[in-house]
Amino acid sequence: GNSVTQMEGPVTLSEEAFLTINCTYTATGYPSLFWYVQYPGEGLQLLLKATKADDKGSNKGFEATYRKETTSFHLEKGSVQVSDSAVYFCALSSGGSNYKLTFGKGTLLTVNP
Amino acid sequence: DVKVTQSSRYLVKRTGEKVFLECVQDMDHENMFWYRQDPGLGLRLIYFSYDVKMKEKGDIPEGYSVSREKKERFSLILESASTNQTSMYLCASILSGDRGHEQYFGPGTRLTVT
Repeated sequence: GNSVTQMEGPVTLSEEAFLTINCTYTATGYPSLFWYVQYPGEGLQLLLKATKADDKGSNKGFEATYRKETTSFHLEKGSVQVSDSAVYFCALSSGGSNYKLTFGKGTLLTVNP
Repeated sequence: DVKVTQSSRYLVKRTGEKVFLECVQDMDHENMFWYRQDPGLGLRLIYFSYDVKMKEKGDIPEGYSVSREKKERFSLILESASTNQTSMYLCASILSGDRGHEQYFGPGTRLTVT
């Protein structure tokens, strides 16, 4: 079956530091890959996505590249801000007619001023 | 803007009570989902529905049931609440079509069963 493994947290960084959160997946076929973010007290919202190999998703300074050869979708940001403090979830959708998402366990990021 | 709303942000119930969690979306989405979120476990799918009156079990359906009588509304039912059902419950919806479309999430209901 499908699975997503992401780097365990928590991750604590200082403002303007470089961020990487690793994500690898196991899936049949050609999944779509997503990063969702959950700010304190809120539901999840889509941060970025990639639907085919070598696609790069980007949003709000975050980037992730769909690497089929390494089955990875690592999240990066060059300079984090305090406002980026949140829980980040990597997820995949393997298609079909039901649009189910398989999530990683989440990584809590805290950015200190 | 797509909006997914959940009936309560916080709920406290007693063991054995019947609990209803309501979710409403306003974008005419066919597919709706219920997840529970627990620390260290991420999000786990309880049930989903791809059309009115249609439902399928997710990964952890035991102790839960669902109802979808109208397209915009998807209810999660705990027939007899237990303490191990204390959790954050998240509802989501998605339009059928391109599987690259995002799921839209509600704000969550934090349920405590005492």
